[in-house]
Amino acid sequence: EVRLVQSGAEVRRPGESLKISCKGSGYNFDAYWIGWVRQMPGKGLEWMGIIYPDNSDTRYRPSFRGQVVISVDRSVTTAYMQWSSLEASDTAIYYCARFGAPSFRGGYFDFWGQGTLVTVSS
Amino acid sequence: QSVLTQPPSASGTPGQRVTISCFGSSSNIGSTDVNWYQQLPGTAPKLLIYSNSLRPSGVPDRFSGSKSGTSGFLVISGLQSEDEADYSCTAWDDSLDGWVFGGGTKLTVL
Repeated sequence: EVRLVQSGAEVRRPGESLKISCKGSGYNFDAYWIGWVRQMPGKGLEWMGIIYPDNSDTRYRPSFRGQVVISVDRSVTTAYMQWSSLEASDTAIYYCARFGAPSFRGGYFDFWGQGTLVTVSS
Repeated sequence: QSVLTQPPSASGTPGQRVTISCFGSSSNIGSTDVNWYQQLPGTAPKLLIYSNSLRPSGVPDRFSGSKSGTSGFLVISGLQSEDEADYSCTAWDDSLDGWVFGGGTKLTVL
């Protein structure tokens, strides 16, 4: 069974750093891209970036480049996303998701983590 | 504002047929496939339809999808109370070089 299990909810103050995780199991972790998707309160889904565990090839949505860093540790089949300096506007639920198609164009995220709620407040 | 445009809400009574639209452009839906996700209240998105009209294993055949030009459509036939959820469309966008989503449609079963 394919599973993506994310780390728990976090509360931080503006300016603080944070690293959230997404552990994959039940499939060949190295062979599937893992994406990150943001859902701000009451809003729609927004793709942030994606990483290929086998070689750490990473692509970012332009608006998130420099704002977050996506990484992976193959030894523990876990993907990460981190912030060095959070802002209140980073308050959202963040989902990781496995990319299940052979190519980006027309492809889809077939399995999703349960989401990590990040709250940034002073 | 989302790149793909969906109606914010839709509704129907049990047994009815409901159609949710997703309007895009030549840089996304017009040149690639549409996928749909279902998000039950308080849960993560779940892949509902991929490659315009295909259903993953376990998705009831009450759910169907289609694409025409720069628009995608999700049809739910024989509406059931458990279908009450948010539905979002997505597609690859050549201008962004990434995936774009619709703003989501909240379906209410009356």
